[in-house]
Amino acid sequence: EAGVAQSPRYKIIEKRQSVAFWCNPISGHATLYWYQQILGQGPKLLIQFQNNGVVDDSQLPKDRFSAERLKGVDSTLKIQPAKLEDSAVYLCASSLEGAGVAEAFFGQGTRLTVV
Amino acid sequence: DQQVKQNSPSLSVQEGRISILNCDYTNSMFDYFLWYKKYPAEGPTFLISISSIKDKNEDGRFTVFLNKSAKHLSLHIVPSQPGDSAVYFCAASDRGSTLGRLYFGRGTQLTVWP
Repeated sequence: EAGVAQSPRYKIIEKRQSVAFWCNPISGHATLYWYQQILGQGPKLLIQFQNNGVVDDSQLPKDRFSAERLKGVDSTLKIQPAKLEDSAVYLCASSLEGAGVAEAFFGQGTRLTVV
Repeated sequence: DQQVKQNSPSLSVQEGRISILNCDYTNSMFDYFLWYKKYPAEGPTFLISISSIKDKNEDGRFTVFLNKSAKHLSLHIVPSQPGDSAVYFCAASDRGSTLGRLYFGRGTQLTVWP
């Protein structure tokens, strides 16, 4: 069974530029998550999708971050414009149901450096 | 506001001995707890979980204990192996109100030496 795929693995951009990350979840997983992990901290949920609908985006800085999940499968996360404090690893995860019922499977993440 | 806390950033254990990783939480509504393991340059991988209706769950060398009154859980690894060296994250969820949203601790770096 293929795991959660993310691209790119690494990205370096200047502040005020825009960037996009892509995620392909495990086939059949209805729930998709984007997490932000800042160095030295645990992952923090940015947004959670159930199929192609948003169920939790309370932690998403909506003035600069946006995310969509096309046809309930792939997802993209965009930052525009980026700030220095956005430097982090962005993790995508998926699960059969909400994470409280079934564990989430994580991708390798995209390491973003904003200079 | 850190609802899940792992107060030990690192732990060093000799191979064959027991590793005990600790986690505290503040939200009494949490009813499902998980441990994830993370190797460098990889995403976290699920290790073991426990529901709040239990106080112990065991899977091979890994056992998770939950003390609800103290809002504390621990992960025991016996015997520890060098391959267990990784960052371990504790996570918690309130399945009733947050649709399974996971709150993570900062992680504990476990090093198992020969």
